[in-house]
Amino acid sequence: NAGVMQNPRHLVRRRGQEARLRCSPMKGHSHVYWYRQLPEEGLKFMVYLQKENIIDESGMPKERFSAEFPKEGPSILRIQQVVRGDSAAYFCASSPKQGASNEQFFGPGTRLTVL
Amino acid sequence: QQQVKQSPQSLIVQKGGISIINCAYENTAFDYFPWYQQFPGKGPALLIAIRPDVSEKKEGRFTISFNKSAKQFSLHIMDSQPGDSATYFCAASTSEAAGNKLTFGGGTRVLVKP
Repeated sequence: NAGVMQNPRHLVRRRGQEARLRCSPMKGHSHVYWYRQLPEEGLKFMVYLQKENIIDESGMPKERFSAEFPKEGPSILRIQQVVRGDSAAYFCASSPKQGASNEQFFGPGTRLTVL
Repeated sequence: QQQVKQSPQSLIVQKGGISIINCAYENTAFDYFPWYQQFPGKGPALLIAIRPDVSEKKEGRFTISFNKSAKQFSLHIMDSQPGDSATYFCAASTSEAAGNKLTFGGGTRVLVKP
């Protein structure tokens, strides 16, 4: 059973470009979370999705950021018109169900560098 | 009220020693407290987790101590090994919120010297 997969692992963008980060959850997992980790800091929750639904986007910046988890295919975190402050590691996690255990399995992350 | 505060920021311990990392939280609705281990360039991996109905949980060399009244919990790494050198994050979540999103502490960088 493959773990959570993220691609690309490294992404370099110039200011003003768009960044698309992909996450394939573990097989059988229907819950996806995105977290952002700034250098030398802890992870900060961004958004929680189930298939075709955004459940909690309380950690997402109001502008330029969007996320989706379509019925088929990976979850996508999209950042439009990137700025240098968007440089960070973006981690996706998945879990099989909501509720008591809530064990979340993390992917290897995408490290975004904005020039 | 969603904060989780972690200390120390960094820790150096000799091989065979005990590493102790502390976390404090504010939200009394938190009911799940995991610890994650992260190596450079990798994603966090779940190490051990505890719920507030127990005061201690041990798995191998790793022990979580939980003090509900003080709203604090800690990770003890016994017989620390160089391979334990990593960054450790405490986290918390509440089943009252949809999705059980994790609130992370700031992390502790542990270096175990041979």
